[in-house]
Amino acid sequence: ETGVTQTPRHLVMGMTNKKSLKCEQHLGHNAMYWYKQSAKKPLELMFVYSLEERVENNSVPSRFSPECPNSSHLFLHLHTLQPEDSALYLCASSQLSKTGDTDTQYFGPGTRLTVL
Amino acid sequence: AQKVTQAQTEISVVEKEDVTLDCVYETRDTTYYLFWYKQPPSGELVFLIRRNSFDEQNEISGRYSWNFQKSTSSFNFTITASQVVDSAVYFCALSVPNSGNTPLVFGKGTRLSVIA
Repeated sequence: ETGVTQTPRHLVMGMTNKKSLKCEQHLGHNAMYWYKQSAKKPLELMFVYSLEERVENNSVPSRFSPECPNSSHLFLHLHTLQPEDSALYLCASSQLSKTGDTDTQYFGPGTRLTVL
Repeated sequence: AQKVTQAQTEISVVEKEDVTLDCVYETRDTTYYLFWYKQPPSGELVFLIRRNSFDEQNEISGRYSWNFQKSTSSFNFTITASQVVDSAVYFCALSVPNSGNTPLVFGKGTRLSVIA
């Protein structure tokens, strides 16, 4: 595998379900990101992990819970979602320098989530 | 705060026509980076170009070219002799080093349809 991979590619879940999205990067990067892309909104940054430490949480509801066990893997745990959470969830990775200068972000193919 | 505006929501052209996608950005920082990404129907955001604020030289890559003008805060993208495979949503984005909370700010995207 190369680049950034995401599983599953499609997910349908009920509001009471618990599911997890997985992202894996094979680029040797030290930062990973979760974005949400809804039909009528621009790409929204949800979480940023740098060196496995969460450095950004953009007022995301607690029903979304990220986890970064190592620099190559990122999870998004989902619990008690709402229909308005239906969207494309994109994972990205980049190499963050010590000065905080963000290099190019490379994206995975996304998980298309539908909440019934 | 940073902002990216892509005023063209949708563009439709006939194959072999040239097309320019507009991008206007706002930032008070003197050091920043501009990006273009392509999102085909499959969903993955494909990186096209990264340009820093100190390099105003235009760039050409095959049928793609980019015109960066700091005087008008624009970073426009031109596809020459468009092809059906160019049909996608194109996003312009801005990144400011050490911006902390928002590493990458996206525009709303321009949907390009190339008709055979």
